[in-house]
Amino acid sequence: AQSVAQPEDQVNVAEGNPLTVKCTYSVSGNPYLFWYVQYPNRGLQFLLKYITGDNLVKGSYGFEAEFNKSQTSFHLKKPSALVSDSALYFCAVRDYKLSFGAGTTVTVRA
Amino acid sequence: DADVTQTPRNRITKTGKRIMLECSQTKGHDRMYWYRQDPGLGLRLIYYSFDVKDINKGEISDGYSVSRQAQAKFSLSLESAIPNQTALYFCATSDPLRTGGNTGELFFGEGSRLTVL
Repeated sequence: AQSVAQPEDQVNVAEGNPLTVKCTYSVSGNPYLFWYVQYPNRGLQFLLKYITGDNLVKGSYGFEAEFNKSQTSFHLKKPSALVSDSALYFCAVRDYKLSFGAGTTVTVRA
Repeated sequence: DADVTQTPRNRITKTGKRIMLECSQTKGHDRMYWYRQDPGLGLRLIYYSFDVKDINKGEISDGYSVSRQAQAKFSLSLESAIPNQTALYFCATSDPLRTGGNTGELFFGEGSRLTVL
């Protein structure tokens, strides 16, 4: 079965500092990997995806993710975090359905 | 208007009551899903449907049933609600995942928060 793991429940950073949210995956075959963000009292919003091609994927709101096959990781990054990036972030892997990690709460302090 | 609409957005009910959560979409997608979100557990798949005549159980289907009334409508029912079904429920839609084509990302509704007392 395909799965993802998010090793950190919470990430706290200061505004303007780099933000990294970690994700590792376990799949058979080629991975289809996604990041979603959930703001309070809202549904999940798609951020970016890796299917094939460049290992660095650029997405919405200045986020990017780096696919690393040897480390089976797909970490989400943002060079300079904003207070408005505070939210719950989910990594997911796709086969016939989307399987989600447990989520990482990001808090960006002013 | 939202592409994926869930009703009700909030519901408080009592143990043993029958509850229906409704989902409608205007994205024209064939595939629809119901997920449940619990703190620390992420989202878990309850049921999914690849077209009107295709209904499949997900990871946690016990205690739930679904109905796909049309391509655009997919309802989730709790026949006899219990307190551990208190959660945030999400409906989602997608196109199929195709090599070289659509990559199958999901589009989510705003969620239905259900509290069972």
